[in-house]
Amino acid sequence: RKEVEQDPGPFNVPEGATVAFNCTYSNSASQSFFWYRQDCRKEPKLLMSVYSSGNEDGRFTAQLNRASQYISLLIRDSKLSDSATYLCVVIYGSGNTGKLIFGQGTTLQVKP
Amino acid sequence: DAGVTQSPTHLIKTRGQQVTLRCSPKSGHDTVSWYQQALGQGPQFIFQYYEEEERQRGNFPDRFSGHQFPNYSSELNVNALLLGDSALYLCASSLTNGGSGNTIYFGEGSWLTVV
Repeated sequence: RKEVEQDPGPFNVPEGATVAFNCTYSNSASQSFFWYRQDCRKEPKLLMSVYSSGNEDGRFTAQLNRASQYISLLIRDSKLSDSATYLCVVIYGSGNTGKLIFGQGTTLQVKP
Repeated sequence: DAGVTQSPTHLIKTRGQQVTLRCSPKSGHDTVSWYQQALGQGPQFIFQYYEEEERQRGNFPDRFSGHQFPNYSSELNVNALLLGDSALYLCASSLTNGGSGNTIYFGEGSWLTVV
């Protein structure tokens, strides 16, 4: 079993749609959680951190459920520019010194 | 303020050869981690360097080695290259005592093709 699992997709949605990505992790000792965005042939870039209380950044909402070891990302009112691969990331140990464990990534394609 | 820089950006090597990839972390950062990303996969942790020493290592063979210099820059060396080593190699920069809000930054990566 992979340490971090995501549905690879692709998710093909029309502009304006709401889309949700899910991610599960296997190590209950995980301490920090993130969503990264990766455009084609580019480096991953931090999209947002994920907290148990949930956090929102504009059209993006992230949620963590520690009991179920489950992380989600919701994108509302999808834009063409949201087309990318979204990587679920978990860190064991301190966020400054721990290694990042990436999921496979979920590909989103937003169509006009 | 320079971000994370990696070189070379693209290279082609032959099986059995050796390769060295280089990374300069973001200004003020002291910790460098290396990741391998094969096509269609998420990045996989290779190892992390801090204070010129390897602090953590992922599940990679000894053919993968590294180094960190006093100026915090780092090198990744891969010996006896295999076709399966073809991937995007990413360098990540961070500050070990930067607090919980410290962000990890990635370089644009080095694309390695082994033929």
